[in-house]
Amino acid sequence: QKEVEQNSGPLSVPEGAIASLNCTYSDRGSQSFFWYRQYSGKSPELIMFIYSNGDKEDGRFTAQLNKASQYVSLLIRDSQPSDSATYLCAVGADAGNNRKLIWGLGTSLAVNP
Amino acid sequence: KAGVTQTPRYLIKTRGQQVTLSCSPISGHRSVSWYQQTPGQGLQFLFEYFSETQRNKGNFPGRFSGRQFSNSRSEMNVSTLELGDSALYLCASAPDRGNIQYFGAGTRLSVL
Repeated sequence: QKEVEQNSGPLSVPEGAIASLNCTYSDRGSQSFFWYRQYSGKSPELIMFIYSNGDKEDGRFTAQLNKASQYVSLLIRDSQPSDSATYLCAVGADAGNNRKLIWGLGTSLAVNP
Repeated sequence: KAGVTQTPRYLIKTRGQQVTLSCSPISGHRSVSWYQQTPGQGLQFLFEYFSETQRNKGNFPGRFSGRQFSNSRSEMNVSTLELGDSALYLCASAPDRGNIQYFGAGTRLSVL
């Protein structure tokens, strides 16, 4: 069974620090990787997506993908209290069925002022 | 461009009743996926529709069904509601190319 695993947290960091969120996946055939942010009581919101090995940066966010080790991470620089949320990792299933995303349970992040 | 619209936002039903939820995708998106989210189980995939056809299906009982119309709007139906069906139901649409999913605000269903 294809799985995506995340540390549930809570991960607590001080304001201004770097928050590091990790996600591992079981399916070596996975082609696409996503990070969503979900505030309490709200729906998930896409933050980053990455398809190739290496790093992808967007503002304060950096996604890192290592297919050989089957993990993807999200770094949040200069963390702000408004970053406090649950971060969901999603992995695209087989290339021939790439609409189906496998979701992790999420990591709760708390940024303390 | 308008986002994904889900109606209603909140629903209260009693056990044994049935419920229908609606989702209008982003204009031009033909793929619509439905998810159930509960605190302990996370996001659970229900099914995906594309051009009026169910393309993927999760592991939910037959009480959960869906359909998609020619304008890509989708409905999800749950029959014979159980207490455990209380959850946030999320709809997401995706463009034809790539598989980035965009979520609606969700429908919060409470079964009493």
